[in-house]
Amino acid sequence: DAKTTQPNSMESNEEEPVHLPCNHSTISGTDYIHWYRQLPSQGPEYVIHGLTSNVNNRMASLAIAEDRKSSTLILHRATLRDAAVYYCILRDMNYGGATNKLIFGTGTLLAVQP
Amino acid sequence: GAGVSQSPSNKVTEKGKDVELRCDPISGHTALYWYRQSLGQGLEFLIYFQGNSAPDKSGLPSDRFSAERTGGSVSTLTIQRTQQEDSAVYLCASSPSPSYNSPLHFGNGTRLTVT
Repeated sequence: DAKTTQPNSMESNEEEPVHLPCNHSTISGTDYIHWYRQLPSQGPEYVIHGLTSNVNNRMASLAIAEDRKSSTLILHRATLRDAAVYYCILRDMNYGGATNKLIFGTGTLLAVQP
Repeated sequence: GAGVSQSPSNKVTEKGKDVELRCDPISGHTALYWYRQSLGQGLEFLIYFQGNSAPDKSGLPSDRFSAERTGGSVSTLTIQRTQQEDSAVYLCASSPSPSYNSPLHFGNGTRLTVT
């Protein structure tokens, strides 16, 4: 499975934008880039996913490099509630029907200062 | 609507006892996953169900671990003869399908402590 690399931790100030980077230099053409986050004492929650084009939803934006070897999750205005561990995960669209589990790395711990 | 429900939320057991952890997925979700998360660690995949069958059991750490799913709905993870290293948060997730386009919906987990 293709791996991702993320910084262990980042800090942000409340109401400022946050850019969370992810490197995935061995990504294959059929891998989608998914982001999940895990708030303290909760299970992970889905944030966003994309293949090639930049994606936006109510939670965040996903900017994908042209060569797809890196991506950036953008939180436009961080709030205290955004303090969490953010996971960048590759998920193959051709899973062969057997399984398509998510393989979690250690993620980026985002701290948001008031 | 109702999310993924796990019970109990906390379980303390003595070493050597058996435990059962329950997961109620979102209604209609055919894919169900079990993960565990040890203190300060990332999530470790255990087993995947599609309907009632488990085509991927590759993450079960030993034969003391087993899981079943009945009626394409509720799943139970059983740990026999628990050991202290089994202490962790056990997370269940469900998804409408195993497609790359179907996000996983996680419960809040069962925190298992083996004394």
